Amino acid sequence: AQSVSQHNHHVILSEAASLELGCNYSYGGTVNLFWYVQYPGQHLQLLLKYFSGDPLVKGIKGFEAEFIKSKFSFNLRKPSVQWSDTAEYFCAVNGPNNAGNMLTFGGGTRLMVKP
Amino acid sequence: EPEVTQTPSHQVTQMGQEVILRCVPISNHLYFYWYRQILGQKVEFLVSFYNNEISEKSEIFDDQFSVERPDGSNFTLKIRSTKLEDSAMYFCASRTQTGSKNIQYFGAGTRLSVL
Repeated sequence: AQSVSQHNHHVILSEAASLELGCNYSYGGTVNLFWYVQYPGQHLQLLLKYFSGDPLVKGIKGFEAEFIKSKFSFNLRKPSVQWSDTAEYFCAVNGPNNAGNMLTFGGGTRLMVKP
Repeated sequence: EPEVTQTPSHQVTQMGQEVILRCVPISNHLYFYWYRQILGQKVEFLVSFYNNEISEKSEIFDDQFSVERPDGSNFTLKIRSTKLEDSAMYFCASRTQTGSKNIQYFGAGTRLSVL
């Protein structure tokens, strides 16, 4: 079975600091990888995704993530965070072998950016 | 941008009562999902639904749960006799078509509180 681990449960940063949120997954086959963000009171929104090709993917709002297959990792990065990035961030994985293509989520990382 | 909408945003119920959580997926989407997140825990897959039948379900989705697409727009999750441990945030999601590369779009969730 797939599993996803997010190492940081809570992160507090000052504006302009750099961000890296860790995500590791356990699944030996081909995977699709996602980062979702949930702003307070809002729905989960897709930040970025990796299906194949260039392992460095760029998403919305200046976020990027790097897929490192040998490390089973898909860490999220942003060079300079803003107060508006305060939200909860979820890493998710699905593999091609299940009919419904369910997502397996990590536990989430709550980011607070201080102005 | 089209959105998945969920109602109500917060549902309070007594243990043993039946609840129905409602979702309106994005209109041209064909695959529908329910996930839940117990406070402090991971977002967990419950069920996926395609072509008017369940395509996949988790072990959480026992006989107390059912899903239905009663008309062309709504997708509902029913819990027949709620238990305290059903208290969670329930997320609905939808996506366009079969194939693992399609992206799931999420609603803002319904917070279910069972007293």
